[in-house]
Amino acid sequence: GENVEQHPSTLSVQEGDSAVIKCTYSDSASNYFPWYKQELGKRPQLIIDIRSNVGEKKDQRIAVTLNKTAKHFSLHITETQPEDSAVYFCAASTSHPNTDKLIFGTGTRLQVFP
Amino acid sequence: EPEVTQTPSHQVTQMGQEVILRCVPISNHLYFYWYRQILGQKVEFLVSFYNNEISEKSEIFDDQFSVERPDGSNFTLKIRSTKLEDSAMYFCASSVTGTGPSPLHFGNGTRLTVT
Repeated sequence: GENVEQHPSTLSVQEGDSAVIKCTYSDSASNYFPWYKQELGKRPQLIIDIRSNVGEKKDQRIAVTLNKTAKHFSLHITETQPEDSAVYFCAASTSHPNTDKLIFGTGTRLQVFP
Repeated sequence: EPEVTQTPSHQVTQMGQEVILRCVPISNHLYFYWYRQILGQKVEFLVSFYNNEISEKSEIFDDQFSVERPDGSNFTLKIRSTKLEDSAMYFCASSVTGTGPSPLHFGNGTRLTVT
């Protein structure tokens, strides 16, 4: 079935350093890949997404890359700040007439130390 | 910015009892979802709903679960006879379209505790 793997499960960086989180997906028909940030006790919030017709997308300090051939995509956060500390989830979605169902990865707990 | 709203924020119930979790999706969204997140684990898909019927459901969504859109604004998840393992955070989400990639917007969740 559909599956999304995510690594690492935890990531600790010094403020100002970069952080990279990687995901692989199993369904080759997947065509939409969002990233969500979840702070403790709160809802997942979309921070960036990429569609299968694009290889890279950037929004200020956040960028996502997609390699369709290898079926993997990555989140890059540059110049990390303590407020970036949270759990990050990747997800994948396949086009379906009546749903945008997302399959989530297992999450990465990012800690940014001042 | 419009938001998905969920009530209650926390529900405590005894094993075997029925619970109904309520959601108000964003008003111009047509596709609705329920997800579950057990403490410390990933977000798991339960069910998607469009045009007053279930469009897809996961293995988790067994006969104990049901969804309903009783009126033009609410979207509910019912668990008929709760089990201890149903304890989790339940997130409602909605999206504008289902015919192509569309961001899901999540509510703040209902924390369900089954004792």
